[in-house]
Amino acid sequence: DAGITQSPRYKITETGRQVTLMCHQTWSHSYMFWYRQDLGHGLRLIYYSAAADITDKGEVPDGYVVSRSKTENFPLTLESATRSQTSVYFCASSDLMNLSGNEQFFGPGTRLTVL
Amino acid sequence: AQSVTQLDSQVPVFEEAPVELRCNYSSSVSVYLFWYVQYPNQGLQLLLKYLSGSTLVKGINGFEAEFNKSQTSFHLRKPSVHISDTAEYFCAVSDDTDKLIFGTGTRLQVFP
Repeated sequence: DAGITQSPRYKITETGRQVTLMCHQTWSHSYMFWYRQDLGHGLRLIYYSAAADITDKGEVPDGYVVSRSKTENFPLTLESATRSQTSVYFCASSDLMNLSGNEQFFGPGTRLTVL
Repeated sequence: AQSVTQLDSQVPVFEEAPVELRCNYSSSVSVYLFWYVQYPNQGLQLLLKYLSGSTLVKGINGFEAEFNKSQTSFHLRKPSVHISDTAEYFCAVSDDTDKLIFGTGTRLQVFP
C-alpha cells in the first residue's frame, strides 16, 4: 500500500528492554522524522533524517537511536526503555523541509507503554 | 527561538456554530505557519498553511486561518462546524533551522 506505515501500532514493554519502532514510506521522500506526542507537550521532534545515512537530533533525542540505511525506512530504537518514554510515537516524511512550505505526511502512530 | 502557543486546550461547541481556535507564535524571522488536524487514533494531516501572500488562507473541510503579523497570530476559523470536526488541532511554525515547532494542541469537541 502506498503511504507511510508504522509497526507495531501498540507495544507494551518493560523497563530496561530494547524496543524498535518501524517506519516505512513508499513515496521516496528525502526527509523523515520521528516525533513523540505527550499530553501538554504536543508533538516534539526526536530525530530526523535528510537522506539515507544522514540523521540529526531533534528536541528530545536522549535515550533514542535511529538509522537510515534505506530511503524508505527509518527505525527508531529505545536502547533501554524507561517509563518516561511511554508515549505515542509518530513517524512523518516530507519531500523537502519546512521552509519550502512542504507538508509532512504522518503515519498512524505507535502507542508505546513501558511498565 | 520560535515557539507556538495554543491558549485553549479544549473548545466545546454545538454543531453548526462558528468556532475559532487560537494560535500565537513568537519568531524573530519570517515564518511559515501550519495547522494540522488529528482525528481520533490517526496521524496528523495538513489543514492549511501560510507561506506568503494573502493573509487569509483557506484549507480543507471549510476551515480558514488569518495570518496577523502585528499580533503574531494565526487563528483557525470555521463558520459552521459538524460533528465530524471533532478532533485535535495543532498549530505549527517552521523554525530557523527548518524544523516544525508544534503547539500543545486544542481539542475541538462538537456536540449535537
